[in-house]
Amino acid sequence: AQTVTQSQPEMSVQEAETVTLSCTYDTSESDYYLFWYKQPPSRQMILVIRQEAYKQQNATENRFSVNFQKAAKSFSLKISDSQLGDAAMYFCASQNFQGGSEKLVFGKGTKLTVNP
Amino acid sequence: ETGVTQTPRHLVMGMTNKKSLKCEQHLGHNAMYWYKQSAKKPLELMFVYNFKEQTENNSVPSRFSPECPNSSHLFLHLHTLQPEDSALYLCASSLESNTGELFFGEGSRLTVL
Repeated sequence: AQTVTQSQPEMSVQEAETVTLSCTYDTSESDYYLFWYKQPPSRQMILVIRQEAYKQQNATENRFSVNFQKAAKSFSLKISDSQLGDAAMYFCASQNFQGGSEKLVFGKGTKLTVNP
Repeated sequence: ETGVTQTPRHLVMGMTNKKSLKCEQHLGHNAMYWYKQSAKKPLELMFVYNFKEQTENNSVPSRFSPECPNSSHLFLHLHTLQPEDSALYLCASSLESNTGELFFGEGSRLTVL
């Protein structure tokens, strides 16, 4: 079964600094996708970034980038030049494509606080 | 209206009440989902609908009854709930059911007394 582990329940960062959120996953499949979702307080969850397992190059979206270590099954999110609007819950998720089920499996989330 | 809209945003109900949560998406997507979000727990997938047909029921108790009359609307009918059912219920949609790129609503905060 798929599992996703976020070992940091809470993190904080100073505005304009860089922070890295950790995520590890466990899957026996070779074909899968990984995601980071952001859920601001009282607002809807949105997709931040996506990584295909077959791609060696780390995905990047503006100030957000990932460090995908396939052998270690690690998928961390780096936020550069942190802004107050980055404060949110961040959820790591994985999606397998075998076994007839393509559902997302989420971690418990990391609450990020950005200090001015 | 754009995106995924959920109503009501907040709901308080007794254990013997019957209520419904509504979700509407204006994105032209074909798949819709119900998730349960509880504090300090991963999001729990409840139901998946693809082209109005239920494709996944994640062992959800029968006191939760989904309905998907068309690809744009999704309901969750609630009946004789338990206090442990109190949670944030999130609706999401995606273009197809095999994509992990979901678009979420803001959620319906349910409190069962």
